[in-house]
Amino acid sequence: DQQVKQNSPSLSVQEGRISILNCDYTNSMFDYFLWYKKYPAEGPTFLISISSIKDKNEDGRFTVFLNKSAKHLSLHIVPSQPGDSAVYFCAAGGSYIPTFGRGTSLIVHP
Amino acid sequence: DVKVTQSSRYLVKRTGEKVFLECVQDMDHENMFWYRQDPGLGLRLIYFSYDVKMKEKGDIPEGYSVSREKKERFSLILESASTNQTSMYLCASSSPGTSGKNTGELFFGEGSRLTVL
Repeated sequence: DQQVKQNSPSLSVQEGRISILNCDYTNSMFDYFLWYKKYPAEGPTFLISISSIKDKNEDGRFTVFLNKSAKHLSLHIVPSQPGDSAVYFCAAGGSYIPTFGRGTSLIVHP
Repeated sequence: DVKVTQSSRYLVKRTGEKVFLECVQDMDHENMFWYRQDPGLGLRLIYFSYDVKMKEKGDIPEGYSVSREKKERFSLILESASTNQTSMYLCASSSPGTSGKNTGELFFGEGSRLTVL
């Protein structure tokens, strides 16, 4: 059974608008949460993370929100740019091995 | 700059062939991982290693084996390739942060696209 779920396989957004990618998890023992970005034919790269003791972490255009009671996290990208078009993986863990979601493909239209 | 290097970006092999995928990291990381990525299935862990000569099965180890003879090198072996092993293979490494606590941040190589005919 999936412990980390990304229920939207794809998302399409207009350039300049906000992109919101969602992720749900089931394991309350997870104490770190991350987002990775992956372009075709490249390896994933780390984007932003948040620990379980926080509810928000911001890095430039990227903000991750954590709602522990709902076991839900989200990634906000504001403003979205065409170069943000990629697959985004949510990951969570409590050991050194994170569990990945299946990814959401974001397309940002000019 | 941190670097995880996978030896082959693209490979084409025939069913039944033995396949070696090599991965080298230059960050002195303790942990190394092999994943495969398939559309709609995300990243699935095949094997991981937390030390030299140590290996642990991940979620989908069947049909694969690994070798870690040196800290910087982690090899994935397909003893007899099959068409259902056509995939993108990703190597990654990690290390506990300065506080000694794992953060889950993995450093990935660029991937090896394997096609088995």
